[in-house]
Amino acid sequence: DAKTTQPTSMDCAEGRAANLPCNHSTISGNEYVYWYRQIHSQGPQYIIHGLKNNETNEMASLIITEDRKSSTLILPHATLRDTAVYYCIVRPDNTDKLIFGTGTRLQVFP
Amino acid sequence: ETGVTQSPTHLIKTRGQQVTLRCSSQSGHNTVSWYQQALGQGPQFIFQYYREEENGRGNFPPRFSGLQFPNYSSELNVNALELDDSALYLCASSSDRKFYGYTFGSGTRLTVV
Repeated sequence: DAKTTQPTSMDCAEGRAANLPCNHSTISGNEYVYWYRQIHSQGPQYIIHGLKNNETNEMASLIITEDRKSSTLILPHATLRDTAVYYCIVRPDNTDKLIFGTGTRLQVFP
Repeated sequence: ETGVTQSPTHLIKTRGQQVTLRCSSQSGHNTVSWYQQALGQGPQFIFQYYREEENGRGNFPPRFSGLQFPNYSSELNVNALELDDSALYLCASSSDRKFYGYTFGSGTRLTVV
């Protein structure tokens, strides 16, 4: 079973920041937080991952709370092409297996 | 740099038949994993291959089997197809055992009738 809890759906206005929350209250010290997204009819796309520190790349920022029990994916300026299902995944360091939940369906509107 | 390619994109099979799905990994990637995604659900891990050997398996019956070839391309075989096997089958590759993230293909949509 997935070790994360995400809202089923969210809306965001184009050009605004999209903040997608994820709860992973049972996360262990050696487990990473990964974010993927899946645009309709495509395979999941890697966005970002982190262990303890906040991370930023060209796509997004990942904010992990100090106790590591939750995280937030931030898309700083959402566009219509960011409409997708976003998956938050906890992955142990000793495995490559990803356990997906049902994700958050983000709808970006004009 | 090419991504992960899967073939065919769509397939219709009859219950009881066998099917083979194919995947070409991203250049430089030697680990491949297969996932099954039912409609409205997240992908479910089937198994993983590393350097031609199975290296982990999810909760799928033995009629789901795979192969990885020396060029790191891969096949997923499903025997005795059931209606519930209808799903999107995703192949994902990654480089070495240092895992930064998978590159997924666009999948094969299998319909069992």
